[in-house]
Amino acid sequence: GNSVTQMEGPVTLSEEAFLTINCTYTATGYPSLFWYVQYPGEGLQLLLKATKADDKGSNKGFEATYRKETTSFHLEKGSVQVSDSAVYFCALPSGAGTALIFGKGTTLSVSS
Amino acid sequence: NAGVTQTPKFRVLKTGQSMTLLCAQDMNHEYMYWYRQDPGMGLRLIHYSVGEGTTAKGEVPDGYNVSRLKKQNFLLGLESAAPSQTSVYFCASSPPGLASDEQFFGPGTRLTVL
Repeated sequence: GNSVTQMEGPVTLSEEAFLTINCTYTATGYPSLFWYVQYPGEGLQLLLKATKADDKGSNKGFEATYRKETTSFHLEKGSVQVSDSAVYFCALPSGAGTALIFGKGTTLSVSS
Repeated sequence: NAGVTQTPKFRVLKTGQSMTLLCAQDMNHEYMYWYRQDPGMGLRLIHYSVGEGTTAKGEVPDGYNVSRLKKQNFLLGLESAAPSQTSVYFCASSPPGLASDEQFFGPGTRLTVL
């Protein structure tokens, strides 16, 4: 079945540093890919998504490109802020397409 | 619109007690889900529903039951709580066609079983 693997955390950065969080997937076909973010004390919310190969999803300065050659969907941001401190989850639909499969999450801490 | 709401926000149970977590959504979504979140484990799907009157098992269904009597509500029940069920529980909903649509999450319920 479909699965997703993302880099272990925590990731600790200084403000304005460059961020990369790696995500690789295994899937049948080319499903949509998602990044969700969870701010402290809150539920998850969609950060960005890509629905087909070579698509780039972007939001709030974050970007991720759907790479079918490397089965990857790495999250990047050129200059992180303290307010970006959160847990980030990579996700894709299950094989049946009725639910999402989430990675284990990567905790990002940004200090000023 | 309130989106997805969960009741209660916090709960402490003793081993063997029962309780029901309520999830409500006002977006007219067909699909609803219950997840649990544990440190280092990410989110794991407990049960889900693709429409009123239907439910299905997810990855970790044991010890839980669910019901979807109304389209807007999805209830998660623990008949006999165990310490292993200490977790944060999230409800989510989505329109059908999951491949390209996002899930909308509630704020979570933090459950402690002593």
